[in-house]
Amino acid sequence: NAGVTQTPKFQVLKTGQSMTLQCAQDMNHNSMYWYRQDPGMGLRLIYYSASEGTTDKGEVPNGYNVSRLNKREFSLRLESAAPSQTSVYFCASSGQDRGSNQPQHFGDGTRLSIL
Amino acid sequence: RKEVEQDPGPFNVPEGATVAFNCTYSNSASQSFFWYRQDCRKEPKLLMSVYSSGNEDGRFTAQLNRASQYISLLIRDSKLSDSATYLCVVNKGTGRRALTFGSGTRLQVQP
Repeated sequence: NAGVTQTPKFQVLKTGQSMTLQCAQDMNHNSMYWYRQDPGMGLRLIYYSASEGTTDKGEVPNGYNVSRLNKREFSLRLESAAPSQTSVYFCASSGQDRGSNQPQHFGDGTRLSIL
Repeated sequence: RKEVEQDPGPFNVPEGATVAFNCTYSNSASQSFFWYRQDCRKEPKLLMSVYSSGNEDGRFTAQLNRASQYISLLIRDSKLSDSATYLCVVNKGTGRRALTFGSGTRLQVQP
């Protein structure tokens, strides 16, 4: 059971470079999410996708774009990386709501450093 | 005021101790509540959902107090392997999938 798979696990970029973080889930979940986690700040939602074909902004969307390629895949793109985007990025997915949220399942993260 | 507030700790307790964490949330429309566990440099993992009537899973007990807008986690007979950061998580309101994560409470169980 792979669950939620993120690639790459580590990446170092120079300011201004672009890159795409990939996420795929094999649990047939409708909803997918991208978070960033910084020391002492907890996880903050960047973007989420409630279902295939839809995306919505979270708390900290500036500087990022997303694509829900299909039900399985949800990618996060940094068009012009900035040092403030140095963080650990987590992708998560959750199943169909039945009157209350289903818990989210996380990938093991991408550690991104921008110099 | 933060949407979800937790005491960052650390809570240093001996093996076998009972320890409790509280978490307060600001959105009275929140309907779903969870405790997650996060080990150092790892992904968060669901520990347990929190139900209105309270619920127990082995050594772990979760309680919800809607009137005061807080949830709690009680860990009995602490093990070394319980050392981790515990994240309080609530949804952003009725029917909303997005979750708000607390910054976490760090627990260190000592031999």
